[in-house]
Amino acid sequence: GQNIDQPTEMTATEGAIVQINCTYQTSGFNGLFWYQQHAGEAPTFLSYNVLDGLEEKGRFSSFLSRSKGYSYLLLKELQMKDSASYLCAVRSPNSGNTPLVFGKGTRLSVIA
Amino acid sequence: SAVISQKPSRDICQRGTSLTIQCQVDSQVTMMFWYRQQPGQSLTLIATANQGSEATYESGFVIDKFPISRPNLTFSTLTVSNMSPEDSSIYLCSGTQGVNTEAFFGQGTRLTVV
Repeated sequence: GQNIDQPTEMTATEGAIVQINCTYQTSGFNGLFWYQQHAGEAPTFLSYNVLDGLEEKGRFSSFLSRSKGYSYLLLKELQMKDSASYLCAVRSPNSGNTPLVFGKGTRLSVIA
Repeated sequence: SAVISQKPSRDICQRGTSLTIQCQVDSQVTMMFWYRQQPGQSLTLIATANQGSEATYESGFVIDKFPISRPNLTFSTLTVSNMSPEDSSIYLCSGTQGVNTEAFFGQGTRLTVV
């Protein structure tokens, strides 16, 4: 089976840093993805980790520990436009062409 | 990444009828998938659309209810058949280009069944 857990909701202040955690238990692993989804819109790709460590992309960074089945998305210098749902997704089993399995998403509210 | 054009963007349908959703990609994609997203929920995979052959369905989804076509590498359709209010949801198509690459999405179809 596959299980992906992330917090349901988070609130953070404009200009601050927020970390959104994701834990997963899957049969096989071939990459972890983070997506941003604004209300009423399709998900948009943020980051991809397949090896342990930190991937940085501007204000967004994503970390992966395969041994712990754990990832986080770090958002720096928060802006009001960052208010959205953030979806953690895993590709498994060990194939690069299988579909992504999504967690339930974390709804982030950025307040002034 | 490629761009997927999905239509219709929204529809209100009578129960018992069927709706076909279309996705056109502006370049060839390796894989195409269909997801459903209930209000306030995450994405649930319906099926993998296989080119030139029957789609691969996830548990809880069957071909009679959700027939899927993929006649070529850039186009796929999903039909929601014999609709009931429980089928009200957002339906999203997705594609990938190459192995170990991210998935990208169409704009989604917001379906309301009355």
